[in-house]
Amino acid sequence: GDSVTQMEGPVTLSEEAFLTINCTYTATGYPSLFWYVQYPGEGLQLLLKATKADDKGSNKGFEATYRKETTSFHLEKGSVQVSDSAVYFCALRRSNAGKSTFGDGTTLTVKP
Amino acid sequence: DTGVSQDPRHKITKRGQNVTFRCDPISEHNRLYWYRQTLGQGPEFLTYFQNEAQLEKSRLLSDRFSAERPKGSFSTLEIQRTEQGDSAMYLCASTPTDIQETQYFGPGTRLLVL
Repeated sequence: GDSVTQMEGPVTLSEEAFLTINCTYTATGYPSLFWYVQYPGEGLQLLLKATKADDKGSNKGFEATYRKETTSFHLEKGSVQVSDSAVYFCALRRSNAGKSTFGDGTTLTVKP
Repeated sequence: DTGVSQDPRHKITKRGQNVTFRCDPISEHNRLYWYRQTLGQGPEFLTYFQNEAQLEKSRLLSDRFSAERPKGSFSTLEIQRTEQGDSAMYLCASTPTDIQETQYFGPGTRLLVL
């Protein structure tokens, strides 16, 4: 079945540091890939997405590139802020399935 | 666009009691999804509807769980004879018909079974 594997957390960084959160997936076909962010006490918000190989999703300084050859969708940001502290989830949706499959999440804490 | 809403936001119940949660999707979104999220885990798919039709149910959805979407608008998720293992965040999401579209999530209902 489908699965998503994220790097284990938690991740603690200083403000303005470079962020990478690794995500790899297993799925048949060509799924769409997503990163969601969840702030304390809130629901999931879409951060960015990519729907086909080599697409780059970007939003709020975050980027991720759909790499089919390595089945990866790593999240990066060049300079993190304290306000980026949250839990980040990688997810996939196959074209013939409505549901999403999520990773277990990576908790990011950014210290001033 | 008022977003996906869920009610209640929090529910504490005793083991063996029945609980019902409600989800109101974004207006005109045809598809509605339920997920369960336990502490330290990502959301796990439970079931989804297209309009009033329930198209898929996860094996996680035991006989004690039932979901409805009678008029193709709001949906309810009922858990009968709750168990402590049912304690989790229950998330609702909606999308337009095109399955490539983004899933918009509600704030969730946090259930604690004592």
